[in-house]
Amino acid sequence: QLQLQESGPGLVKPSETLSLTCTVSGGSIGTSNDYWGWIRQPPGKGLEWIGCIYFTGNTYYNPSLKSRVTISVDTSKNQFSLRLTSVTAADTAIYYCARQPLDYWGQGTLVTVSS
Amino acid sequence: QTVVTQEPSLTVSPGGTVTLTCASTTGAVTIDYFPNWFQQKPGQAPRALIYSTSNKHSWTPARFSGSLLGGKAALTLSGVQPEDEAEYYCLLYYGGGQPNWVFGGGTKLTVL
Repeated sequence: QLQLQESGPGLVKPSETLSLTCTVSGGSIGTSNDYWGWIRQPPGKGLEWIGCIYFTGNTYYNPSLKSRVTISVDTSKNQFSLRLTSVTAADTAIYYCARQPLDYWGQGTLVTVSS
Repeated sequence: QTVVTQEPSLTVSPGGTVTLTCASTTGAVTIDYFPNWFQQKPGQAPRALIYSTSNKHSWTPARFSGSLLGGKAALTLSGVQPEDEAEYYCLLYYGGGQPNWVFGGGTKLTVL
């Protein structure tokens, strides 16, 4: 059974960089024919697709976030990561990782942007 | 700015049938948008229900079905159960030079 688990700081200061990692178990990123993605959900609001990555490093990003987002992959650790720069309070959200086409999801991790 | 629109809220009686829809500001939704549907209950991660318009995951209850209806993607629940009360989100794929996935704003389904 494929499982994904997000990890990273729960509190980030404004203007700093948000960094999260997703660890995949029960399957291998390096041998999968799937993309791996990040989605976020501000408290009490809807879902927003952030972007995704293939094991080769090929990425697709939400155009509205593209200037601030980087998704990377480490196949040796079976992990992929999200970096979001210059964060503001509007980036406060539950961040989920998932296998694209978003069939398997992590439980999500709340990241709060506050000084 | 592409916007995907869903009904903000719907109410259905137990045992009834309800259809949720998903529209795109770019025009009619077709199979090329690979519509997906998700269910989310409070405090939980979204759960995938339907992919590529009408395909069910192995865990999707038979009472859920997906289709295209009048230029929109649609999710129909037949024989609604109390546990179906949840938020439902659609997701559309926008291909081209910069592939992008866009969620709808969600439909709050109340079973009453």
